[in-house]
Amino acid sequence: DAGVIQSPRHEVTEMGQEVTLRCKPISGHNSLFWYRQTMMRGLELLIYFNNNVPIDDSGMPEDRFSAKMPNASFSTLKIQPSEPRDSAVYFCASSGLAGALGGELFFGEGSRLTVL
Amino acid sequence: GESVGLHLPTLSVQEGDNSIINCAYSNSASDYFIWYKQESGKGPQFIIDIRSNMDKRQGQRVTVLLNKTVKHLSLQIAATQPGDSAVYFCAENMNAGGTSYGKLTFGQGTILTVHP
Repeated sequence: DAGVIQSPRHEVTEMGQEVTLRCKPISGHNSLFWYRQTMMRGLELLIYFNNNVPIDDSGMPEDRFSAKMPNASFSTLKIQPSEPRDSAVYFCASSGLAGALGGELFFGEGSRLTVL
Repeated sequence: GESVGLHLPTLSVQEGDNSIINCAYSNSASDYFIWYKQESGKGPQFIIDIRSNMDKRQGQRVTVLLNKTVKHLSLQIAATQPGDSAVYFCAENMNAGGTSYGKLTFGQGTILTVHP
């Protein structure tokens, strides 16, 4: 049973370059979340989608960050232009109605981004 | 320059001991709570959850206790094993099942180290 799939697992890029992170949620899940994890701030919610529609993007740091979910099986998080302070592990998670009490998130393995 | 990160609480135990990890949550309106385990290089993994109308829930080797009066959550792990070594996060959600379904706010985490 495939879990949440993220790519790339690791990316090293130079400041100013565009970065695109990809996520395939668990089939049948109707909610998708992008989190960022850093030593400074821990796990922060960036944006989440319900039925492919962005519901809350208040966690997106600034206009350099954008996220899309063109269909139920794919989402992207884009950073343009990237900056060194964007270096972090970016997690995608999905959730469906079959959670134990509702609300359980299934996380991918993360994309570790390093911006030089 | 010097980097400053979160100073995560740590707990060191011997294999076979029981472990108790504590968490203070912030929002008195939160009605759903989850514990996650994160191993090095991996995404957070669900352990157990509890709704606010309960004060205790048990799983396999784990028990979650909720004290709403003091906004405190704890995770008890029985007969702790080296494989339990990880960072443990509590997370809270307000209005699980509504429009904020699955929107979790994570605590900073506790590092558990189990010595053989």
